[in-house]
Amino acid sequence: KNEVEQSPQNLTAQEGEFITINCSYSVGISALHWLQQHPGGGIVSLFMLSSGKKKHGRLIATINIQEKHSSLHITASHPRDSAVYICAVSRSGSARQLTFGSGTQLTVLP
Amino acid sequence: DTEVTQTPKHLVMGMTNKKSLKCEQHMGHRAMYWYKQKAKKPPELMFVYSYEKLSINESVPSRFSPECPNSSLLNLHLHALQPEDSALYLCASSQEGLAVYNEQFFGPGTRLTVL
Repeated sequence: KNEVEQSPQNLTAQEGEFITINCSYSVGISALHWLQQHPGGGIVSLFMLSSGKKKHGRLIATINIQEKHSSLHITASHPRDSAVYICAVSRSGSARQLTFGSGTQLTVLP
Repeated sequence: DTEVTQTPKHLVMGMTNKKSLKCEQHMGHRAMYWYKQKAKKPPELMFVYSYEKLSINESVPSRFSPECPNSSLLNLHLHALQPEDSALYLCASSQEGLAVYNEQFFGPGTRLTVL
């Protein structure tokens, strides 16, 4: 079993829909990261969180440390949100080494 | 400046060539990373430099040779690569120090093809 599990692996939505991507982890962590990767390239860090909830524009990330679970929500989705969303954790005592989930491919149709 | 830059964007090389990938950041970060990413897979950590010293080598073959000439620059020297080394190579940087967790800032990557 992978230490960081994401679901779903693939997600197709219509423009305007509310989207949720889930991440569960089985190791002790000091932080959880949500990353975005568009086709062809570089990775953008969306959120780094260790408790509670963070919001940036239409994106919301939550984490429940007791349940070892995090969610990334996208409100009013748009085709430009189409990308791979990756959950990664910084393990306790090894903050520099990220353990990645397998990613969620999101496609938002106009 | 909150950007990590990488050059070149694309690189095609033969198995006998020697080439280098370059990464630069001016955020004052003292940790720098090299990752390898194959298609439809998450990144795999290769190397970590902390204060210009190699601190993590994830058992990477010696045909990959990292170098950190100063706190802003990170190179990856390539020699005698194999076709299976074709991948997207990503550089990242983060702060160092007492923080127990550090956000990593990624560059756009170099897409490497080995013929």
